[in-house]
Amino acid sequence: DIQMTQSPASLSASLEEIVTITCQASQDIGNYLSWYQQKPGKSPQLLIHSATSLADGVPSRFSGSRSGTQYSLKINRLQVEDTGIYYCLQHYSAPWTFGGGTKLELK
Amino acid sequence: EVQLVESGGGLVQPGASLKLSCVASGFTFSDYWMSWVRQTPGKTMEWIGDIKYDGSYTNYAPSLKNRFTISRDNAKSTLYLQMSNVRSEDTATYYCTRVRYRYNWANWFAYWGQGTLVTVSS
Repeated sequence: DIQMTQSPASLSASLEEIVTITCQASQDIGNYLSWYQQKPGKSPQLLIHSATSLADGVPSRFSGSRSGTQYSLKINRLQVEDTGIYYCLQHYSAPWTFGGGTKLELK
Repeated sequence: EVQLVESGGGLVQPGASLKLSCVASGFTFSDYWMSWVRQTPGKTMEWIGDIKYDGSYTNYAPSLKNRFTISRDNAKSTLYLQMSNVRSEDTATYYCTRVRYRYNWANWFAYWGQGTLVTVSS
């Protein structure tokens, strides 16, 4: 199985701060990587697909990037509504696997 | 509007069986691969498995394939997850998900249901 190592596990940041979350894949997964945001009490919502493509309706302060087998989610100018848990998911090789999640809170 | 509505969760005893359902609307259900994903109380996400749009093929997480069975009824636009011999570690919120593109297997989860909670306890 492909392992997705996500870091950090938790993060506390201030309003308007730049936040970066990373996922390291245990092998090449190409661009078969997506990011999800889960707000408290809600189901996950797609943020980024194909490693770098913003999903419909997602604010432009979110962006995704890739460097080899490391993938990053960047939030520019953190807003109150960005708090929650973030997950990466690889869908390159079954079984699909998620990162461990990053809990993002406001400082 | 795409909607996925899970049901069937609840309190179940260890060793019992349980069948979850997910009713889909707002799209042509028979055109899409569908998956089940679960989230533990500790917030770990785990893909359970998926089923081809025509129901002819399924994939499972290796650790679950002997106890969990995914099926679908396209006439009812409903996805199912049959869970057998449940264990305490199966306690989780179970989500059904739909991929972005019709007929395509390996793509991201564009839509999620609201989830149904399964608690395994005596």
